[in-house]
Amino acid sequence: QITLKESGPTLVKPTQTLTLTCTFSGFSLSTSEVGVGWVRQPPGKALEWLAIIHWNDDKHDNPSLKNRLTITKDTSKNQVVLTVTNVDPLDTATYYCAHRLIYRGFSHWGQGILVTVSS
Amino acid sequence: DIQMTQSPSTLSASEGDRVTITCRASEGISNSLAWYQQKPGRAPKLLIYEASKLEGGVPSRFSGSRSGTEFTLAISSLQPDDFATYYCHQYHLYPWAFGQGTKVGIK
Repeated sequence: QITLKESGPTLVKPTQTLTLTCTFSGFSLSTSEVGVGWVRQPPGKALEWLAIIHWNDDKHDNPSLKNRLTITKDTSKNQVVLTVTNVDPLDTATYYCAHRLIYRGFSHWGQGILVTVSS
Repeated sequence: DIQMTQSPSTLSASEGDRVTITCRASEGISNSLAWYQQKPGRAPKLLIYEASKLEGGVPSRFSGSRSGTEFTLAISSLQPDDFATYYCHQYHLYPWAFGQGTKVGIK
């Protein structure tokens, strides 16, 4: 059974760095064709793709966030970490991590974590 | 970047109705498109991947199709559990993109 869970701060101040951790079970990020990504959703708005990292360390992020994103994996801990630098109130959103197999969308999702950016 | 134009943004329908939602990609994305259902306060749920393949456990009343750069999600007979918001998602080229969503409400 595949499960994912996001953890991190729920309140951060503007200009700070947000670090979110996705801890998963039921699969390994060293297995071929597996990836873990991040998606966020501002309150009442649409989903926005942020970043993805694959079993072979191939990684991509959304350039609309202007180089503020970093995604890394720790295969031994079954974790993927997303950092967002220089946060702004517009970064207030529910952040989800999700599992995918190559050629598919995100088949398993975490419950999400609501992060508020406010002074 | 590839833009995904989803329509309509909202629709009202009755139980038993056939419903269709469309996503148009700004350029070719092959079959690299997924559809998700999301209910309030919940994470999205994968319904369809590779444009027309049904995810395991998803009822057969859901189907997906493609015509060029236009993709359609159809629900053959709307059930009470289907009232939700639906999103398309292209994963052909980076940066990936979601559509703006379609909220299916009760008429």
